[in-house]
Amino acid sequence: DSGVTQTPKHLITATGQRVTLRCSPRSGDLSVYWYQQSLDQGLQFLIQYYNGEERAKGNILERFSAQQFPDLHSELNLSSLELGDSALYFCASSIYYGSTYEQYFGPGTRLTVT
Amino acid sequence: GENVEQHPSTLSVQEGDSAVIKCTYSDSASNYFPWYKQELGKRPQLIIDIRSNVGEKKDQRIAVTLNKTAKHFSLHITETQPEDSAVYFCAASGGDEKLTFGTGTRLTIIP
Repeated sequence: DSGVTQTPKHLITATGQRVTLRCSPRSGDLSVYWYQQSLDQGLQFLIQYYNGEERAKGNILERFSAQQFPDLHSELNLSSLELGDSALYFCASSIYYGSTYEQYFGPGTRLTVT
Repeated sequence: GENVEQHPSTLSVQEGDSAVIKCTYSDSASNYFPWYKQELGKRPQLIIDIRSNVGEKKDQRIAVTLNKTAKHFSLHITETQPEDSAVYFCAASGGDEKLTFGTGTRLTIIP
């Protein structure tokens, strides 16, 4: 167990809908990262937050947004969902910003768009 | 940005033999290289990492080597066991503070 928690574990929804994924980092970690893992794309970095502020952005679609709250938990919002958004979404946390710090992954949320 | 290539994509070895997975990266500013193990349906788990001021690091049966000149790094697993079967990902952190992952190697240990 990495200490990073994610909810829900599974999510099934229809195209066009909007969902929110939640992540709580390890105790003491200030950075949260979101990744998407689909079968043909591997692990793709989406976005990073550090202590409430956006630090780095990857291949995140405009339909997706995220935020980190004062208690350091983070939410990833996915809207106007398409079939291709079906994937595993992982959150990771590290003590500081900068990708040279060890990142510890949560158990993931499996999103299925039908 | 950073680009990480990983080979091979699949690897089968007899139990007790060694396994080697290789990665190359493109950004000479990269200075952190972690390796993750992911079992089916589970989270990626950090198993070992190396920083650019070190050429080799070992942790029991796992070792990682780094050649900054050639821009490649490798994972070595010795005395493989059935529980080593998983997908292994290498990653590199570029100057853009992002962790870029390789495409993964599916390692199968044959009993």
